[in-house]
Amino acid sequence: NAGVMQNPRHLVRRRGQEARLRCSPMKGHSHVYWYRQLPEEGLKFMVYLQKENIIDESGMPKERFSAEFPKEGPSILRIQQVVRGDSAAYFCASSPRTAPLSYEQYFGPGTRLTVT
Amino acid sequence: SQQGEEDPQALSIQEGENATMNCSYKTSINNLQWYRQNSGRGLVHLILIRSNEREKHSGRLRVTLDTSKKSSSLLITASRAADTASYFCATDAGNSGGSNYKLTFGKGTLLTVNP
Repeated sequence: NAGVMQNPRHLVRRRGQEARLRCSPMKGHSHVYWYRQLPEEGLKFMVYLQKENIIDESGMPKERFSAEFPKEGPSILRIQQVVRGDSAAYFCASSPRTAPLSYEQYFGPGTRLTVT
Repeated sequence: SQQGEEDPQALSIQEGENATMNCSYKTSINNLQWYRQNSGRGLVHLILIRSNEREKHSGRLRVTLDTSKKSSSLLITASRAADTASYFCATDAGNSGGSNYKLTFGKGTLLTVNP
């Protein structure tokens, strides 16, 4: 039973380019969460999605960042016109359909974004 | 201070010793979780303790929760070099009107177990 998968694991972008981060939740999980971890910091919540719905994007910057979780395929976190401050590790987590609240979130290995 | 703060920031012990890490939080919670993160890797879920539980065990791990003090501790007994990692506590917002799915992490405790 594969865990949460994220790709790419490492991504290097120049300032102004777009970054696309992908997350495939665990089998049977329909709730996806994205978190960002700055160097030597804890993870910060960004967005919570269910299939075709954004439930809570309160932790996501209003500009340049967007997320989706289509009916088919992985969840995508998209960062347009990246800046150096976007350099961080981005983690995706998923939880099962029957227990979306107050339950364990299973994390992927993360995508480390470096903006040069 | 932020929700879910670990203490100490760093801890260095010898193999075989016990390691204790603490976590404090501010608002009421439904549950508290502990995660481990090896350097440059993803998070591994260790244990979840609910607000109506006081203590929980899993292998060499023992977690306590004191909701009156809004604090939790993680004890790793008979530590091994492989336990070297950062340890994070994560809380949900509980019944304070927040969002239970929104985990709040502290900055973590960096545990180094020397062989």
